[in-house]
Amino acid sequence: DAKTTQPPSMDCAEGRAANLPCNHSTISGNEYVYWYRQIHSQGPQYIIHGLKNNETNEMASLIITEDRKSSTLILPHATLRDTAVYYCIVRNLPGGTSYGKLTFGQGTILTVHP
Amino acid sequence: GAGVSQTPSNKVTEKGKYVELRCDPISGHTALYWYRQSLGQGPEFLIYFQGTGAADDSGLPNDRFFAVRPEGSVSTLKIQRTERGDSAVYLCASSPRDRDYNEQFFGPGTRLTVL
Repeated sequence: DAKTTQPPSMDCAEGRAANLPCNHSTISGNEYVYWYRQIHSQGPQYIIHGLKNNETNEMASLIITEDRKSSTLILPHATLRDTAVYYCIVRNLPGGTSYGKLTFGQGTILTVHP
Repeated sequence: GAGVSQTPSNKVTEKGKYVELRCDPISGHTALYWYRQSLGQGPEFLIYFQGTGAADDSGLPNDRFFAVRPEGSVSTLKIQRTERGDSAVYLCASSPRDRDYNEQFFGPGTRLTVL
């Protein structure tokens, strides 16, 4: 799976948008971009995923650049409960040889402050 | 509904002992994963089951680690002759087979401490 690069930490004011960047310059055509987050002392939680197009769900939006070499996770109105480690992961489409596993990096520690 | 559960939540053992960690996946989920997470690091993949069989065990660090899932639901991760370096949080996740993007649902983990 392609390697991802994320800033180690970011801050955000409560109620403002949090924009978390991720570089995945070696991504290949059969790889998705996934985002998970991990709140302290809990297991990781799926947020969103995408291939080429921008995606939005009830938790967040995912913006993928046209060349697919980078992406941004957007939490539109961050709350204190969004304080967590956010992981950007690139993984194969279903059926790929390494499809099952998630390869986590060190992620970005997002701190939302009042 | 019930999520993924793991028992025990904490396990303290002595170097050289044998431990078993249990994972109860979400009912009906055919895929089950084990990861371990050291302090300050992201989770590290260990093994992936599809049904009863291990589809990918490439992450198991050595032959002291073994996992089973005999009936395709509950899984047990077994560690023989534990070492201090095995201390970590062991995470289990499950996912339904029919989802095309394979969202994994994680349990809260078992914190293993080897003294």
